[in-house]
This record gives sequence, C-alpha cells and structure tokens, in this order.
Amino acid sequence: EVQLVESGGGLVQPGGSLRLSCAASGFTFSSYWMSWVRQAPGKGLEWVANIKQDGSEKYYVDSVKGRFTISRDNAKNSLYLQMNSLRAEDTAVYYCARDTRAFDIWGQGTMVTVSS
Amino acid sequence: AIRITQSPSSLSASTGDRVTITCRASQGISSYLAWYQQKPGKAPKLLIYAASTLQSGVPSRFSGSGSGTDFTLTISCLQSEDFATYYCQQYYSYPLITFGQGTRLEIK
Repeated sequence: EVQLVESGGGLVQPGGSLRLSCAASGFTFSSYWMSWVRQAPGKGLEWVANIKQDGSEKYYVDSVKGRFTISRDNAKNSLYLQMNSLRAEDTAVYYCARDTRAFDIWGQGTMVTVSS
Repeated sequence: AIRITQSPSSLSASTGDRVTITCRASQGISSYLAWYQQKPGKAPKLLIYAASTLQSGVPSRFSGSGSGTDFTLTISCLQSEDFATYYCQQYYSYPLITFGQGTRLEIK
C-alpha cells in the first residue's frame, strides 16, 4: 500500500524549533520529488517546500525561506522539515505529499502549534 | 508569483445538482492546473490534473476544463459524499506552487 506517515508535530514556543518527519512506503521514494504543504486552522492549503529526487534542488515559499529546511534520506525512505525561528503564523497541520507537479499521495498530517 | 483566484468561496447546492467552481490565474498557465477535494479532518485528495485529466479512481461525474487563465471544475450530479471543500493548484511555475483559496460546497 502506498503510504506517507508524518510525525514530529507538537507545541513549541515562538522562536523555537521542531523537526518533522515523513516515512514513505509502497513506492520507490527515491524516484519522486516530495513536498510539504500546510494548512492553518480553518484556512486553505499552502505549499511550503519541495525537494528533488536526489536532494540537489530545494525550493521554498517566501514566508519560510531562511527559517525552514527540507531534506530527505532515500536510504530510509524519509522526508524531513527542519523548522527554526517558529512564529505563531506557522501554526498549521503539515502534510507531506508525493510531488508529481500535482500531489497524488498525501500523508494524514501532523499538527504544529506555536504558542507561549 | 502567480496568483489563483477561486470562486465562489462557498456554494450551497442539493443532491443531484450540477455545480461549477472557477479558478482564474493572474497570468496564463497553459493547462498546468490540478483540483483537489478535502473533507473535514482529512488530507486533500487529487481529483484532476492537467486541467482535465481525471485521476485514477475518481468518479466520472467530476470533470475539469480550461486553459490559459480560466478553469472550471464541474460536478455533474452531486452525491452526498461530494459535499466538501475544493481547491485548485497551479504548477506552471513549478517547482514553485500556489493554491486557490478554496470553495466550500455545502448542502442546501
């Protein structure tokens, strides 16, 4: 079964850091671009970042540039999002998604809450 | 950045109705547009890509059309399970991606 499972979310204070993980199974992870997409409570979808198959290219939405870092470990079939200098506006459910230009496979999401 | 304007933001309809949701891009994006359905508490589900290609397993009552700047998602005969929020997404500027604001489809 093709599956993505996120983990690592939680409550963090403003200015803090968090690392999200996404475990992939059921497909050849190393053959696909991967993305992170987030959704603030009651709001719409926002693409956050994506990464090429070999990790050589990474792209970010302007609002997270310099604070978030996307990475992957193809040997572990895993995608990561390192989030630093977190702000209240980063509060959201974070989804990892298989990126074929459209997002055809999604994880269940992990909630990140930034609050003091 | 390419902006996507989705309309309406909400829509009330009845089972059996035909509904149309529109996305307009701030510049031409050829056919590089996808549509998603999201139900409360769930991850989005890909319905259509390349503006009009139905994702495998998606019912044929869903259809997409358009190119350039104007796109539509049509549901030909609403079923109870279709009441959800719908999003469009452009990937013309890939790897940079943007979504529309969403359309909430409610039962009348």
